[in-house]
Amino acid sequence: AQKITQTQPGMFVQEKEAVTLDCTYDTSDPSYGLFWYKQPSSGEMIFLIYQGSYDQQNATEGRYSLNFQKARKSANLVISASQLGDSAMYFCAMRERSGGSYIPTFGRGTSLIVHP
Amino acid sequence: EPEVTQTPSHQVTQMGQEVILRCVPISNHLYFYWYRQILGQKVEFLVSFYNNEISEKSEIFDDQFSVERPDGSNFTLKIRSTKLEDSAMYFCASSLGVPQSDTQYFGPGTRLTVL
Repeated sequence: AQKITQTQPGMFVQEKEAVTLDCTYDTSDPSYGLFWYKQPSSGEMIFLIYQGSYDQQNATEGRYSLNFQKARKSANLVISASQLGDSAMYFCAMRERSGGSYIPTFGRGTSLIVHP
Repeated sequence: EPEVTQTPSHQVTQMGQEVILRCVPISNHLYFYWYRQILGQKVEFLVSFYNNEISEKSEIFDDQFSVERPDGSNFTLKIRSTKLEDSAMYFCASSLGVPQSDTQYFGPGTRLTVL
């Protein structure tokens, strides 16, 4: 079974609009961390936002917010006021404790294209 | 702003050759990682390193892979005898704190092409 599922291979959004990128996860560990990374066409991986499983509030970082619904095991990324520079691949990742290890797992990514 | 650097940006090698990919993590970070991303696919964890030893490794990290921190600044990934399927982007990352919660900062990656 997939640990991280990103169901949207591609998304399109108009500049200045908000967009939500979906991520669901599967774990039986009560302690885990969820991360979102951006990968522009240049290839580097850029950290965007982190949510801990015990965090009471949804994480926010500037225009990025994480809609964390623990019971549904979803951690959707919301980008407000999209900009052309937001066009990139977006990866959701989870680190859970598995057999004493904290090996991270990434989803397959969502390609976001922002139209002018 | 401090950043993780990686060299070379692109490495081309013949099948069966050894390659060493180099990384300079952020200077005060304590945990170091290698990941790979086959073209068009998801990022896969290879190995984490802390206190001069491997702390975690995935199934991908078999005997042909090794990591080393030869001095106080560099962190290397060696592939002993490269195979065609080793062609991928290899990312180094580092974090200040523990892997389960602390942010990992990625380098720009090394694209390895095995011919």
